[in-house]
Amino acid sequence: QSALTQPASVSGSPGQSITISCTGTSSDVGSYNLVSWYQQHPGKAPKLMIYEVSKRPSGVSNRFSGSKSGNTASLTISGLQAEDEADYYCCSYAGSSTLFGGGTKLTVL
Amino acid sequence: QVQLVQSGAEVKKPGASVKVSCKASGYTFTGYYMHWVRQAPGQGLEWMGWINPNSGGTNYAQKFQGRVTMTRDTSISTAYMELSRLRSDDTAVYYCARGRGEVVVAATLFDYWGQGTLVTVSS
Repeated sequence: QSALTQPASVSGSPGQSITISCTGTSSDVGSYNLVSWYQQHPGKAPKLMIYEVSKRPSGVSNRFSGSKSGNTASLTISGLQAEDEADYYCCSYAGSSTLFGGGTKLTVL
Repeated sequence: QVQLVQSGAEVKKPGASVKVSCKASGYTFTGYYMHWVRQAPGQGLEWMGWINPNSGGTNYAQKFQGRVTMTRDTSISTAYMELSRLRSDDTAVYYCARGRGEVVVAATLFDYWGQGTLVTVSS
């Protein structure tokens, strides 16, 4: 199974909104509402930001939201802040296995 | 509070094996799946598999079948990941991560992570 496809990088200015896409197939993203998103700052462990496509864990800002259409999931960050600059990874269930995306580097200009 | 504390960095020669530990505290160890995820230098996350600490049942990514063994010791709330026949491209930071929920939901819901263990494979 191949990794999910994410853009290598996205950027935005403080206060703006950005969206990161995550494209899979009908065997993973398209078949299950089990997509999560992780934020990772350099040298740190990943942090869960979104699970089950659009649910936010306690303590995660409501500026982070998730959605899915067909084989593509998306993470939207509104009101960009400097601390949002990090790598973001999508993750999907693929029927007895788990796939991650290649990661997207978010730069806050 | 929930904590996952991993063992320290390792340097291994090609062909050797490495065993990384992950000690859990702050919750009922047998109540949650434990997943292992690795990250090569400058690269993305790669899922390796999980262990059910209650039953000892495992599920490994196809890529690692035959080379990885995940075990646990419930008496000390510790999970282990052993990778054998190491190659240079196994050089990576290895993370344990707690999977929350029943097996399918837990497959993508990693709510707590260890600090990571750097394994370097070099001759």
